[in-house]
Amino acid sequence: AQTVTQSQPEMSVQEAETVTLSCTYDTSESDYYLFWYKQPPSRQMILVIRQEAYKQQNATENRFSVNFQKAAKSFSLKISDSQLGDAAMYFCASPGGSNYKLTFGKGTLLTVNP
Amino acid sequence: GAVVSQHPSRVICKSGTSVKIECRSLDFQATTMFWYRQFPKQSLMLMATSNEGSKATYEQGVEKDKFLINHASLTLSTLTVTSAHPEDSSFYICSARQGRWEQYFGPGTRLTVT
Repeated sequence: AQTVTQSQPEMSVQEAETVTLSCTYDTSESDYYLFWYKQPPSRQMILVIRQEAYKQQNATENRFSVNFQKAAKSFSLKISDSQLGDAAMYFCASPGGSNYKLTFGKGTLLTVNP
Repeated sequence: GAVVSQHPSRVICKSGTSVKIECRSLDFQATTMFWYRQFPKQSLMLMATSNEGSKATYEQGVEKDKFLINHASLTLSTLTVTSAHPEDSSFYICSARQGRWEQYFGPGTRLTVT
């Protein structure tokens, strides 16, 4: 079974500081992508960043970057210069079977303190 | 960016009635759409995969006759909750797949069954 583990149910960070959210996954796919999605209180799922598994270089999108360790099946998200608007639930997602389904972790609730 | 709409955003219906939720990809064609259910403070639970022109594939434990899915065009999938009961009250989210793995999400529908 495809599994995604986010071991931190809640995290908090001071505004302007850096925080890292962890994620481990298990997949039998050989060519795949990994994703981090953000769900603010509006509950709209927003794609934060994607990582192509066959690329060794870690993905970066402005203040968001990942640390992808393929052998360890680890995919953490680093948020730099945290802003109040970053407060949300963050979900890690990895391949989840046929039809290119995704499996989501249980989420990490991020609080940003002013 | 890829935009997915969902309608209605909120619906209240009486027990025993049916309700239809629409999911549309506005600026791209999606051969595959997904329907999720999300309970408060929990992750997304995949209900079914909707493929254009063919029958939906349901996840284990999801009642096919209760949650009817139709994917009649490359931009529209519908979820009909039949004979709704209070336990069906939940937040329903659709997503449309673009490319192989990437999913873009609708804003969700809050269903309340009284």
